[in-house]
Order: sequence, then C-alpha cells, then structure tokens
Amino acid sequence: ELKVEQNPLFLSMQEGKNYTIYCNYSTTSDRLYWYRQDPGKSLESLFVLLSNGAVKQEGRLMASLDTKARLSTLHITAAVHDLSATYFCAVEYSGGGADGLTFGKGTHLIIQP
Amino acid sequence: DAGVIQSPRHEVTEMGQEVTLRCKPISGHDYLFWYRQTMMRGLELLIYFNNNVPIDDSGMPEDRFSAKMPNASFSTLKIQPSEPRDSAVYFCASSLAGGSPNEQFFGPGTRLTVL
Repeated sequence: ELKVEQNPLFLSMQEGKNYTIYCNYSTTSDRLYWYRQDPGKSLESLFVLLSNGAVKQEGRLMASLDTKARLSTLHITAAVHDLSATYFCAVEYSGGGADGLTFGKGTHLIIQP
Repeated sequence: DAGVIQSPRHEVTEMGQEVTLRCKPISGHDYLFWYRQTMMRGLELLIYFNNNVPIDDSGMPEDRFSAKMPNASFSTLKIQPSEPRDSAVYFCASSLAGGSPNEQFFGPGTRLTVL
C-alpha cells in the first residue's frame, strides 16, 4: 500500500520568512504532484514532478523531487499572506498510463502579516 | 475550456435516501477519477475510469456506492442508501493519458451532507 506522509501538518509563519514542507512516500514512483486548496475550494495544480532531480519554480514556491530518497519538498521563499492555504502532495503509481493519486494529509499553512 | 463540471454543488439529504452526483470531464480527456475528502480521512480515491471503463474501484467503501460512465462526457456516483458517515466533499477529476504529464484537473466538488 502506497503511503504518503507530509510534515508539518500545520505551519504558522510570518511574512518574509522561508520554510519547507516535506513529502515522503513509501514506494517507487516518479510522478509527484503538488496541489493547493483554499478553504471551501477545489484543488489547484501547482507542480508536476516527473523525474529524479526535477525542480520547478513558480513565484515564491519551488518544488523538488528525489526519487531515490522518495522525498519531495515544497520551499516557500519570503512568504506573503496570499500563500496561506492547505498544500497537498500526491503520488501516482508509475508504470504507464494514468493512475489514481494517493494524497498526503496536507499542510495547513497560515502566513501572518 | 470549461474545466471539470460537477453537479450539484451542495446536496443535503436524509439518511436512507439515494444520492446521485454528476460529473462532466474536460472534453478530450480519457481518464476520470472520483475522490472523497473528509476531515478524518483526507482525500481518498474511490474509483477511476479509462475510456469509460472502470479500472480500479478498490477505494469504493461499500456496496452502497456505485459509479458509472455511460459515455466520454458524463459520469455518476450513486450512494444508495446514504448514511451520515457519507457526508464529505466529493471531487471529480479528469486527465489525458499520454499528455504532459497525466496532470489531473479537479472539479469544484459536491458537498454532501447526510442528516
């Protein structure tokens, strides 16, 4: 059974600070996704990481993937209030085609002015 | 594109009633997924289809749940009879296999409350 663990599950930080969210998963996969969810809303795709060493950046967010360590990180640089949301990582079984996603429990991020 | 469309957006029903949730995937997508989100269990995959054929329904919690995809543009998730523990947000997502990169796009969700 594929397990996905995120930490921390809750994070309160001040604007301007940097922080990293970690995502560990339990089985071989080379497809990892990061989603953002605002309260009462759907999931918005942030990053798709498809290979070992993949790094993607969008604004103040940067995601990376280490398939050997089965670890992905989401780094927040100089946080701003608008980044307050819940962030999920999700892993897809590899092996061709598409598969359902197994999600972590999410990191509830609050950025205070 | 309109994105994934789900209806209804909110549903309140009484225990024992039948509930039908509906989903229209993004045109041209060949995979469709149903997920459920609760505070206790987080986001869980229920079932997914490829080219209208169910591929994996191991996440469907019990026989009270059933899902169909009669054509490429429509899917339903039915709960009969409904129970209070079925209260959750149900998301539908679609993707294009072989596209770059199998990214799943989520609908707005249906918030189900079973009294």
